[in-house]
Amino acid sequence: NAGVMQNPRHLVRRRGQEARLRCSPMKGHSHVYWYRQLPEEGLKFMVYLQKENIIDESGMPKERFSAEFPKEGPSILRIQQVVRGDSAAYFCASSPPEVSGPTDTQYFGPGTRLTVL
Amino acid sequence: DAKTTQPNSMESNEEEPVHLPCNHSTISGTDYIHWYRQLPSQGPEYVIHGLTSNVNNRMASLAIAEDRKSSTLILHRATLRDAAVYYCILSLGGGADGLTFGKGTHLIIQP
Repeated sequence: NAGVMQNPRHLVRRRGQEARLRCSPMKGHSHVYWYRQLPEEGLKFMVYLQKENIIDESGMPKERFSAEFPKEGPSILRIQQVVRGDSAAYFCASSPPEVSGPTDTQYFGPGTRLTVL
Repeated sequence: DAKTTQPNSMESNEEEPVHLPCNHSTISGTDYIHWYRQLPSQGPEYVIHGLTSNVNNRMASLAIAEDRKSSTLILHRATLRDAAVYYCILSLGGGADGLTFGKGTHLIIQP
């Protein structure tokens, strides 16, 4: 059973470009979460999604950031017009549907390390 | 959200038990206590969670105080691979929420 997959693992962008980060949850998981870890800092929650729905985006920056989890395919975190301050590790996590038990145990992917030049 | 307090760092010797404390004096009756760890350059990894009773799994044990205002993660026999940042997190059981990570405890294992 494959774990949470994220790609790319490393992404380099120049200021002003767009960054697209992809996350495939574990098989059977319908909840996806995105977190950001700035250098030398802790992880910060960004957004929580279920299929085709954003449930909680309280941690998302108000501008340039968006997330989706379509009916088919991976979840996408999109950062438009990147700036140097967006350089960070972005982690995706998934959890199973509520009927399977406590839903707050999250399984994390290896992360995408974004570098903005 | 209820807050947790952990020591910034702890050091232990290889093959000895490690007790990582966490204070959560404002915990509510429905908050679960979760522990995750993050090894260098990796994503966080679930370790264990509990509500009221002590819990054991293949990775660790979780001892929860009777008043639930504190808990201790116990690694019975630390190895070098256990060197990581350990996070104690409270979350509302029965609902899926974003986790609130604090600074955690940086565990250093000496050979």
